[in-house]
Amino acid sequence: NAGVTQTPKFRVLKTGQSMTLLCAQDMNHEYMYWYRQDPGMGLRLIHYSVGEGTTAKGEVPDGYNVSRLKKQNFLLGLESAAPSQTSVYFCASSEAGDNQPQHFGDGTRLSIL
Amino acid sequence: GQNIDQPTEMTATEGAIVQINCTYQTSGFNGLFWYQQHAGEAPTFLSYNVLDGLEEKGRFSSFLSRSKGYSYLLLKELQMKDSASYLCAVLDSNYQLIWGAGTKLIIKP
Repeated sequence: NAGVTQTPKFRVLKTGQSMTLLCAQDMNHEYMYWYRQDPGMGLRLIHYSVGEGTTAKGEVPDGYNVSRLKKQNFLLGLESAAPSQTSVYFCASSEAGDNQPQHFGDGTRLSIL
Repeated sequence: GQNIDQPTEMTATEGAIVQINCTYQTSGFNGLFWYQQHAGEAPTFLSYNVLDGLEEKGRFSSFLSRSKGYSYLLLKELQMKDSASYLCAVLDSNYQLIWGAGTKLIIKP
């Protein structure tokens, strides 16, 4: 059982480049989330989705876009990368319901030069 | 503003007991989660509290006092593999999860 799979695991970008982070879950979860984790700070929610075809902004959505065309996949896009977006990005999924525990992927370590 | 406070780092001895505290000031409260995160890995769910009191799960227990805005995670019979960061997160009135910065727990032999 793979759970939540993120690709790639590492990436280095130059300022202004674009890329897409992929997240796939095989648990048939309704809810999916994208977070960033920076040193000395708590996880911060970028965008989330409560079902296929729906997305919503989280705490820090600027500079990012997302899509959930299929229930099992949640994509995070950076249109024009900036050094401030250097971070570790985590995808998570959960069953429907706000008190359900979230299951996390192993993270993507992204550096923007 | 919303705030979750946890100690940055704690050290304990293998076989001992450690208590990791979490205090919160949030707009509303709909539950509190504890997660464990080993270095370089994904957070994993440990516990969920929504009512006052102690929830026990094997060597780990979690306590909640809503009136005091306070929770703790109690780890007993510490093992070296318990060396990790422990994240406290609160569901606010909008059902958004607010995360603490985490407590890095170092276990010494």
